[in-house]
Amino acid sequence: AQSVTQLGSHVSVSEGALVLLRCNYSSSVPPYLFWYVQYPNQGLQLLLKYTSAATLVKGINGFEAEFKKSETSFHLTKPSAHMSDAAEYFCAVSGGSQGNLIFGKGTKLSVKP
Amino acid sequence: SQTIHQWPATLVQPVGSPLSLECTVEGTSNPNLYWYRQAAGRGLQLLFYSVGIGQISSEVPQNLSASRPQDRQFILSSKKLLLSDSGFYLCAWSAIINSGGYTFGSGTRLTVV
Repeated sequence: AQSVTQLGSHVSVSEGALVLLRCNYSSSVPPYLFWYVQYPNQGLQLLLKYTSAATLVKGINGFEAEFKKSETSFHLTKPSAHMSDAAEYFCAVSGGSQGNLIFGKGTKLSVKP
Repeated sequence: SQTIHQWPATLVQPVGSPLSLECTVEGTSNPNLYWYRQAAGRGLQLLFYSVGIGQISSEVPQNLSASRPQDRQFILSSKKLLLSDSGFYLCAWSAIINSGGYTFGSGTRLTVV
């Protein structure tokens, strides 16, 4: 069965520092992978997706993620954090029992001035 | 372009009262529709999934139910709310070919008192 593990429920970085949010997945078939961002009391917004094209995927707001099959990872990065990046981030993989996405438990990103 | 509407944004209901949350999608036909619940520290829990009018799949047995009376309308209901039903409810849609991920509504914050 497909699953997603996000390492670290909370990550804190300083403004201008590198952002690295970790996601590992398990999948019996080539997966589609997604990163979503959620601001307080709002729905989830798609940041980027991997659908078996280029392994380095660029998304909105300067984020990118690299699909590494050998490591079953899809970590999210941003070179320089902004205060506006403070939010919760969810990694997801395709292939749930109902054709649905399987979400990780989320990582809350804090950005310190 | 496709849009998804979800209402109300917030709701405070007494224990034992009924519930009706509505979600509608515009600009697409025959979408897959989903209801998720997000409780503090528990990530996203898939509640219901629908591939067409009148077709509902339930992931978790509970006192909630869902209906899809029209192609682009998805309703979450309860006859008698429990305290444990409190949470943030999210509706989402996806295309039949699910490589594009989900588009989420803005969510409903339900507090059962």
